[in-house]
Amino acid sequence: GIQVEQSPPDLILQEGANSTLRCNFSDSVNNLQWFHQNPWGQLINLFYIPSGTKQNGRLSATTVATERYSLLYISSSQTTDSGVYFCAVGVTGFQKLVFGTGTRLLVSP
Amino acid sequence: GAVVSQHPSRVICKSGTSVKIECRSLDFQATTMFWYRQFPKQSLMLMATSNEGSKATYEQGVEKDKFLINHASLTLSTLTVTSAHPEDSSFYICSARQGGSAGELFFGEGSRLTVL
Repeated sequence: GIQVEQSPPDLILQEGANSTLRCNFSDSVNNLQWFHQNPWGQLINLFYIPSGTKQNGRLSATTVATERYSLLYISSSQTTDSGVYFCAVGVTGFQKLVFGTGTRLLVSP
Repeated sequence: GAVVSQHPSRVICKSGTSVKIECRSLDFQATTMFWYRQFPKQSLMLMATSNEGSKATYEQGVEKDKFLINHASLTLSTLTVTSAHPEDSSFYICSARQGGSAGELFFGEGSRLTVL
């Protein structure tokens, strides 16, 4: 099956810093989503981005499907950005989403 | 975004009992829902795909007789953990897709099961 690897696995930032999270996948995809999992376990939808670039406030994402990767940018990080970030991909011909390994982010004041 | 609601959020039960978790899409119809399981500090693993009006499709290694899935309507799927044991303790999360087969997935709040 498809492999979805995220890097870095852990990231510690000072409040106000910028960061880039990466998601690599091993097969063609027709769906890619980024999520933030808060301390209570809730998955918050950040981006639905099978290709191209999107921005939402301090967050933006880019997916280059032909090169099998996606990037999530967080600018001017805040303590509330702490948590785990997951990318999840949908393989062409299948409906399910396969989750990546996750990046655990801690933003300190 | 679309809303998916899951209930209960927390459940504690004795070993050997069965537990039912409900997943509802509140503002859209979902012919397909998905059930995931997450152990502490790990990623989400797909357990099964729930299909409205037909049998669920289970991932390899998931016991279909242990984890019963019913998708009786376009807005409700249920997961029943039968004869639960402590190793079934986990965080269970459901999701539903809005739109076509490659549409965006929305997730419920999750249900934390503890089996004593």
